Amino acid sequence: DGGITQSPKYLFRKEGQNVTLSCEQNLNHDAMYWYRQDPGQGLRLIYYSQIVNDFQKGDIAEGYSVSREKKESFPLTVTSAQKNPTAFYLCASSLSSSSAVLGELFFGEGSRLTVL
Amino acid sequence: KQEVTQIPAALSVPEGENLVLNCSFTDSAIYNLQWFRQDPGKGLTSLLLIQSSQREQTSGRLNASLDKSSGRSTLYIAASQPGDSATYLCAVWRLTGGGNKLTFGTGTQLKVEL
Repeated sequence: DGGITQSPKYLFRKEGQNVTLSCEQNLNHDAMYWYRQDPGQGLRLIYYSQIVNDFQKGDIAEGYSVSREKKESFPLTVTSAQKNPTAFYLCASSLSSSSAVLGELFFGEGSRLTVL
Repeated sequence: KQEVTQIPAALSVPEGENLVLNCSFTDSAIYNLQWFRQDPGKGLTSLLLIQSSQREQTSGRLNASLDKSSGRSTLYIAASQPGDSATYLCAVWRLTGGGNKLTFGTGTQLKVEL
């Protein structure tokens, strides 16, 4: 089935450690996104990528890094520089990020990161 | 800066009732508006995408309207069912030099009771 797969679903990390969240899509979408969700707040954009080998910072990129070496994959690394990393992380994709018609967003099931 | 507000934050209705969820945005220069559903601990499921040239969009028991000039969208759910219980989020699109980006509201948590 086509869709977006995020792993792991749950992740625990000690302070000072970097962790990488996986996001894979088989929808043949060009654009991919990472969002962070905290209780009582709307989703906030961390990074997004319109095409392979290109990505841009979102609204809260500090303490995070990404890569886009393949069209299907957009991993997110939460570094030790991120002050409050405990959150629910959501990956999304769309057919295009430059077309209003083709920009409908589809989400994965999320990864919950807890820093101990 | 675009701000998106959803009121009420929580809503409880009896099964079978028709209901309306509200979404307001401050910058009317949007391109599209998308409604999502989120179940606890899950990702978001796209419900409806309304393009800027449209005034409404329908899917089954759901109908979403868009009034750009007043900065409002509503999601109408007909004949509500317990399975409709979830958090409903709206998000507005803006086109920037770097591509489309969404601004999300904080959601309305809906509970449909038997």
